[in-house]
Amino acid sequence: LAKTTQPISMDSYEGQEVNITCSHNNIATNDYITWYQQFPSQGPRFIIQGYKTKVTNEVASLFIPADRKSSTLSLPRVSLSDTAVYYCLVADRGSTLGRLYFGRGTQLTVWP
Amino acid sequence: DAGITQSPRYKITETGRQVTLMCHQTWSHSYMFWYRQDLGHGLRLIYYSAAADITDKGEVPDGYVVSRSKTENFPLTLESATRSQTSVYFCASRDSGGAVYEQYFGPGTRLTVT
Repeated sequence: LAKTTQPISMDSYEGQEVNITCSHNNIATNDYITWYQQFPSQGPRFIIQGYKTKVTNEVASLFIPADRKSSTLSLPRVSLSDTAVYYCLVADRGSTLGRLYFGRGTQLTVWP
Repeated sequence: DAGITQSPRYKITETGRQVTLMCHQTWSHSYMFWYRQDLGHGLRLIYYSAAADITDKGEVPDGYVVSRSKTENFPLTLESATRSQTSVYFCASRDSGGAVYEQYFGPGTRLTVT
């Protein structure tokens, strides 16, 4: 399974756009790129996934270049409530189990 | 309540005692997972289950036992608790027909072994 690398921490201010980049150089053809969010004292929560190009939902956007060796999670106009740990994972879409490997994630802190 | 619940939410136990963490989901999801989360390690998979009576080891299964007699329940037992098992434990589930990357997590159990 492809290993992911992302920054340990990031800081931002309310109202700014935040981009968190994840590197996954060894991503396989069958892998989806998946992001989870974890608030303090809660379990992780799935927020977005993509295979290539751009995906957008009500929470975030995910940008994936053609070579798929990296991806960028974009959070528009963050608020204090977006302070959380964000995990980048790759998941084999051909897998029946759907085993997920969580790294240490990126601690995003949003300041007023 | 619908969803996935864990009990207890907090537990303090002594070294050598047996303790069971409960996980219950109301969706009838086939797959269930147990993770532990420690500072500096992210989440690590302990055990998983593909269906009732089907379980298998994850990354860090030593010292843990699971069972799954009913689809909705997936208890995790620490047979003889050790201080190294002090952690936050998360249960998760996934529908067999759903996206392989989308697991639903419970609120966690914070376990302290003294």
